[in-house]
Amino acid sequence: SQTIHQWPATLVQPVGSPLSLECTVEGTSNPNLYWYRQAAGRGLQLLFYSVGIGQISSEVPQNLSASRPQDRQFILSSKKLLLSDSGFYLCAWSRTSGNQETQYFGPGTRLLVL
Amino acid sequence: AQSVSQHNHHVILSEAASLELGCNYSYGGTVNLFWYVQYPGQHLQLLLKYFSGDPLVKGIKGFEAEFIKSKFSFNLRKPSVQWSDTAEYFCAVNSYNTDKLIFGTGTRLQVFP
Repeated sequence: SQTIHQWPATLVQPVGSPLSLECTVEGTSNPNLYWYRQAAGRGLQLLFYSVGIGQISSEVPQNLSASRPQDRQFILSSKKLLLSDSGFYLCAWSRTSGNQETQYFGPGTRLLVL
Repeated sequence: AQSVSQHNHHVILSEAASLELGCNYSYGGTVNLFWYVQYPGQHLQLLLKYFSGDPLVKGIKGFEAEFIKSKFSFNLRKPSVQWSDTAEYFCAVNSYNTDKLIFGTGTRLQVFP
């Protein structure tokens, strides 16, 4: 069966410091991968998605970037964190089956920027 | 652009009460519809999904949802809630020509014994 891991679970970082959040998927190959940010009362906002190694699409302009160095690894990064980057970051994977695709979510990383 | 509306932001019920959470979307084409649930301290989990066929979809834990195309709605229902249903519920939609999932803002459900 497929599993998705996110690391770390929680992170407290000072403003201006770099960021690296990791997401890995097991039990499947060539998944679609997604990064979301969840804010209270605002649902989930799609930040980035990737359909393959090195292929990244950005949904919103922001202080963050994403990379996919391996088939089942998706990394969310920042060179200099802002206070507004605080939030709950979720990674998700899916495997397209025709027009029917279901996304499955990881446990999330809670980031607090001070 | 697609959007998803969940008009109930916070719902408080007693155990055994019936539940209906509203979800409306804006998109004129063919869509896939989902309800996800996030229990306190847990992953976001898939509750149920609709791709095609019978518009009444049954999911886990006694939940069901009905797709009404004419109303652009996909409301979630449960005839009798339990305390363990306390969670946040998210409706989500994607269209056939995109991989992107659009989420509603979520409904927080609190069930009291």
